[in-house]
Amino acid sequence: GENVEQHPSTLSVQEGDSAVIKCTYSDSASNYFPWYKQELGKGPQLIIDIRSNVGEKKDQRIAVTLNKTAKHFSLHITETQPEDSAVYFCAASLRAGNMLTFGGGTRLMVKP
Amino acid sequence: DVKVTQSSRYLVKRTGEKVFLECVQDMDHENMFWYRQDPGLGLRLIYFSYDVKMKEKGDIPEGYSVSREKKERFSLILESASTNQTSMYLCASRVLRGAMNTEAFFGQGTRLTVV
Repeated sequence: GENVEQHPSTLSVQEGDSAVIKCTYSDSASNYFPWYKQELGKGPQLIIDIRSNVGEKKDQRIAVTLNKTAKHFSLHITETQPEDSAVYFCAASLRAGNMLTFGGGTRLMVKP
Repeated sequence: DVKVTQSSRYLVKRTGEKVFLECVQDMDHENMFWYRQDPGLGLRLIYFSYDVKMKEKGDIPEGYSVSREKKERFSLILESASTNQTSMYLCASRVLRGAMNTEAFFGQGTRLTVV
């Protein structure tokens, strides 16, 4: 089955700096790569996703890049703000599959 | 907005008890999932369901069972709770849209402590 590894497990940045979280996956058939943000006391919520026919996707301060050859994808947050502090999860899903396999999570702390 | 509601935020149960975790979604989604969240391990899939009365084992089904008698409700059952089942449990649902992957919507989680 699919295996997703996520690094780093914790990340601390100063407000205004950029943050990058990286994930690798094992199954080359995976074609959907979402990122979820989990705030304290809440369930994860989708913030951005990318499909295998696209190399990069942006949404305001958030961007995701995908390298299918190397089987890795990354989340980039620019101009970080204290409200970006949360746990972030990457995930991968097979074509036509219904299961998401998640990475281990990254706790991002943005210091004011 | 899609709403996925888990019946309890916090539960404390004794070893050996039978425990029911309930999840209800209001968007007529076909797929529902139960995940377990532990620090450093991310979200691990326990069971999922494609439709009413359908269920499939995930990565860590041992010690758990599920029930889906109605489309909107998916229950996770711990047949005999043990301390190693102390964890955060998350329910999720997704619409089935052919071969296309879709967003998963999560409940707020149930933090279960087994003593």
